Amino acid sequence: AQTVTQSQPEMSVQEAETVTLSCTYDTSESNYYLFWYKQPPSRQMILVIRQEAYKQQNATENRFSVNFQKAAKSFSLKISDSQLGDTAMYFCAFMKHVLNAGNMLTFGGGTRLMVKP
Amino acid sequence: DAGVTQSPTHLIKTRGQHVTLRCSPISGHKSVSWYQQVLGQGPQFIFQYYEKEERGRGNFPDRFSARQFPNYSSELNVNALLLGDSALYLCASSSGLPWPYEQYFGPGTRLTVT
Repeated sequence: AQTVTQSQPEMSVQEAETVTLSCTYDTSESNYYLFWYKQPPSRQMILVIRQEAYKQQNATENRFSVNFQKAAKSFSLKISDSQLGDTAMYFCAFMKHVLNAGNMLTFGGGTRLMVKP
Repeated sequence: DAGVTQSPTHLIKTRGQHVTLRCSPISGHKSVSWYQQVLGQGPQFIFQYYEKEERGRGNFPDRFSARQFPNYSSELNVNALLLGDSALYLCASSSGLPWPYEQYFGPGTRLTVT
């Protein structure tokens, strides 16, 4: 079974600064995907960024980037130029790649990020 | 285009009762997954359905069941409600399997069991 751990329950950052959220995972799978999801106070979960384990290059999406360390089973999210709208719960999630099977997500416990003006 | 919709938004039930939650996926999406999110925790996978067949089941008791209809909408049923079933129930739809097509989440149904 896979486990996902987010060791920072809460974090805060000043507007326009950079913050890094940590995530570690445990799996015996070699093919898998990692995700960061954002859940604002309105509750709707949205995908922030995705990383395929077979890709060595770290994924980036505008102000969001990841530091994927496969050997260390670490997958951190960096948010640059933080904005007030980034205030939300952030969840790290794992999905194993199994042909013709379900694509269930295993989530970490979340990190509450507050961006301060 | 409409996103994933869930109904009802909130409901309050008494221990021992039964509840049915509903989910309509994004048009064209054939896969629906259900997650339970207890307050302060990450979501936990309950079920996934694809083309009306169960494709995955999480570690939940048999009191939890689900089904998917020909129009790809889905119902989650919970029998003999316990206080611990109080949670936000999230539905997610995706366009297919097996590849990790992005899962689009609905706003959730907040269930309170008293």
